[in-house]
Amino acid sequence: ETGVTQTPRHLVMGMTNKKSLKCEQHLGHNAMYWYKQSAKKPLELMFVYSLEERVENNSVPSRFSPECPNSSHLFLHLHTLQPEDSALYLCASSPNSDINQPQHFGDGTRLSIL
Amino acid sequence: AQKVTQAQTEISVVEKEDVTLDCVYETRDTTYYLFWYKQPPSGELVFLIRRNSFDEQNEISGRYSWNFQKSTSSFNFTITASQVVDSAVYFCALSLWGGDSGAGSYQLTFGKGTKLSVIP
Repeated sequence: ETGVTQTPRHLVMGMTNKKSLKCEQHLGHNAMYWYKQSAKKPLELMFVYSLEERVENNSVPSRFSPECPNSSHLFLHLHTLQPEDSALYLCASSPNSDINQPQHFGDGTRLSIL
Repeated sequence: AQKVTQAQTEISVVEKEDVTLDCVYETRDTTYYLFWYKQPPSGELVFLIRRNSFDEQNEISGRYSWNFQKSTSSFNFTITASQVVDSAVYFCALSLWGGDSGAGSYQLTFGKGTKLSVIP
């Protein structure tokens, strides 16, 4: 039990579908993050939220739309994805948005785009 | 721009052997942090250690030890007497604070990871 829960664990969708990934943290942290992990590539930071406010958008295409309704929940809304978007999407949290702090990660959602 | 290189893509060792995972980083900043994370097959990254650029003391935690050498920009990780449960992908990462708010302020760079397999 990592304190960060991601659902679903696996998702298969077509390029025209709309789906959402969910992340919930039970650690009382104020910052949450989305990462993309593709095969044979370094982990890529996508978005950073601090106290429900987006503080970083790391040049992510608009087909990925994050939402942070409160400091415990983070969503990643997906629409019109491309095959190259197939990857493991990891959510993380930390006490605040200081990037120099250790982060607590969820198990990830394995996304496959058909 | 910063970069983290983990030259070893995959390593296999027999249980009880010692193994060292290499990490070399590049940055022009003098203030930064280095991390090691472990990613077991279940997927989540588990934080192992953080070291700031001003603290070059080596650290030991049980069977784990870390050797930070600023002169060679390396932050290597050694597992002593490896066990099957150590099998995982290990990531080295470098963080910087850009100093301004907005895009690009969060500089967190991961290496590609080293997959360690410990064979019983």
